[in-house]
Amino acid sequence: QVQLQESGPGLVKPSQTLSLTCTVSGGSISSGGYYWSWIRQHPGKGLEWIGYIYYSGSTYYNPSLKSRVTISVDTSKNQFSLKLSSVTAADTAVYYCARESQWLAGVYFDYWGQGTLVTVSS
Amino acid sequence: EIVLTQSPATLSLSPGERATLSCRASQSVSSYLAWYQQKPGQAPRLLIYDASNRATGIPARFSGSGSGTDFTLTISSLEPEDFAVYYCQQRSNWPTFGQGTKLEIK
Repeated sequence: QVQLQESGPGLVKPSQTLSLTCTVSGGSISSGGYYWSWIRQHPGKGLEWIGYIYYSGSTYYNPSLKSRVTISVDTSKNQFSLKLSSVTAADTAVYYCARESQWLAGVYFDYWGQGTLVTVSS
Repeated sequence: EIVLTQSPATLSLSPGERATLSCRASQSVSSYLAWYQQKPGQAPRLLIYDASNRATGIPARFSGSGSGTDFTLTISSLEPEDFAVYYCQQRSNWPTFGQGTKLEIK
């Protein structure tokens, strides 16, 4: 059973960089065939996809966040990470890591972490 | 960006009733659409993929239909555990989600 677990600071100061790590267990990032994503949910709101990384290191980011986002992978630790720079209060959200898999025709999120609340405040 | 619009925003029904949730895309997504269920304090759970296929372990009372721009999630007879927020999601170029439909107990 694949499990994902987010970790990182729950409080970040404005203008600083938000850094989170997702540790994957029960499966190897290096095995390929999956996209490893970050998704966030503002309090009481809907879901916003931030970006994904493939095991090879190729990335794709939401155009609205692209200038501030970096996603990286460490296959030796079976982890992938998110960095979001120049944060403001608008970046306060629950951040999820998730795995995207091929299901017949399309690609969808089938495993999710429990989510971690990150608050941006001085 | 493909925008997904869900309706209604809130649906109030009683256990045993039939629920019909809608999702409309701003442009065609073919059948590349999924539905997720989210309960308070939990991550979303994949219910339906490719518009009409139930994911592993999802009860038969959940069904999806549609293609192109108009999609429907139907819950044939509501169980108490079905009251939650439901999101549709497309994966045409990059993933986007609808704003959600809250299914609440009447």
